Amino acid sequence: AQSVSQHNHHVILSEAASLELGCNYSYGGTVNLFWYVQYPGQHLQLLLKYFSGDPLVKGIKGFEAEFIKSKFSFNLRKPSVQWSDTAEYFCAVNAHNAGNMLTFGGGTRLMVKP
Amino acid sequence: DVKVTQSSRYLVKRTGEKVFLECVQDMDHENMFWYRQDPGLGLRLIYFSYDVKMKEKGDIPEGYSVSREKKERFSLILESASTNQTSMYLCASSLNQGYSNQPQHFGDGTRLSIL
Repeated sequence: AQSVSQHNHHVILSEAASLELGCNYSYGGTVNLFWYVQYPGQHLQLLLKYFSGDPLVKGIKGFEAEFIKSKFSFNLRKPSVQWSDTAEYFCAVNAHNAGNMLTFGGGTRLMVKP
Repeated sequence: DVKVTQSSRYLVKRTGEKVFLECVQDMDHENMFWYRQDPGLGLRLIYFSYDVKMKEKGDIPEGYSVSREKKERFSLILESASTNQTSMYLCASSLNQGYSNQPQHFGDGTRLSIL
């Protein structure tokens, strides 16, 4: 079974700092990759997704992620964070042999100080 | 816009009770999922369903069952609630067009406390 690791459980940044959240997965076959975000008191929302093609994926609110197949990674980045980016971020992987099932990482709680 | 509605935002029940969590989606999605969310563990899949009356176990099905009698509704049942089932429960739905790349849409969650 595949597993997903998010190495940073808590991240605290000041506004305008750059962000990179790590995500590594353990499945060796073809995968679809997702980042979800959960703002305080809200439901999980899709931030961005990778299915195929250009490994650099751009999502909403200035976020992007890069799929590096050789490193089994899908790190999330944003060049300049805002206070409104305070949220919990989840990486998720869908292996092509797993139907529609997602495996989620443990989440990274980001706090941006104003 | 997809709407996934969970019947309760907060629920408090007693040990041993039978608990029902309800989820309804309005986009005619084939797939529906129940997760529990715990700090540091992310989301863990309890059960999912890809069609009416069809269900598959996820990673942590013990102590739970599900029911899907109508396409839009997916119920999670705690047969005899225990304190270790205190958690946030999330329902999700997605399309099934023969591809595994359809994103899942989530409800607001039900925070369940078992006393």
